[in-house]
Amino acid sequence: AQKITQTQPGMFVQEKEAVTLDCTYDTSDPSYGLFWYKQPSSGEMIFLIYQGSYDQQNATEGRYSLNFQKARKSANLVISASQLGDSAMYFCAMREIDNAGNMLTFGGGTRLMVKP
Amino acid sequence: NAGVTQTPKFRILKIGQSMTLQCAQDMNHNYMYWYRQDPGMGLKLIYYSVGAGITDKGEVPNGYNVSRSTTEDFPLRLELAAPSQTSVYFCASSAGNEGYTFGSGTRLTVV
Repeated sequence: AQKITQTQPGMFVQEKEAVTLDCTYDTSDPSYGLFWYKQPSSGEMIFLIYQGSYDQQNATEGRYSLNFQKARKSANLVISASQLGDSAMYFCAMREIDNAGNMLTFGGGTRLMVKP
Repeated sequence: NAGVTQTPKFRILKIGQSMTLQCAQDMNHNYMYWYRQDPGMGLKLIYYSVGAGITDKGEVPNGYNVSRSTTEDFPLRLELAAPSQTSVYFCASSAGNEGYTFGSGTRLTVV
């Protein structure tokens, strides 16, 4: 079974509007961390936001927020007031604390395109 | 600049050739990783290391080898390159907390 699932291969959003990128995960580890990365056309991986499984509040970083619904095992990224520079691939990733290598498992990504 | 340095940035290999992708970090991170990213896809773990002298296989290790003789360096070796190894390769490091630092990637084409 996929550990991280991103069901939206591509999305369009109008500039200045908000957009939600979906991410669901599968783990039996009670302690884990969820990450979102942005990959622009230049190719680098840019860290956006982190949510720990025991965090009581949803993470926020500027225009990015993470809608964390633990019981549903979802960790959706919300981008408010979209900008043209937000056009990129977005990846959800998970680290299970129980894994000895501390590695990240990535979803397949969502391509976001912001329309002017 | 502190961070993860990957070389080369681009490389074209012929089928059957070998090469080493270099990765170095100067943050004294114990954990290092090699991922590959095929076009339009997410990153898949090739190999990882939890410290100098210790390496282990990830999800897609076939056709690759690694070594970790120092904390700083984690080279990835491709033996007998195949077209299926055409991909973008990312090296990353972590101190074990929530922070991961990625290199800028190596774009490899095997023809």
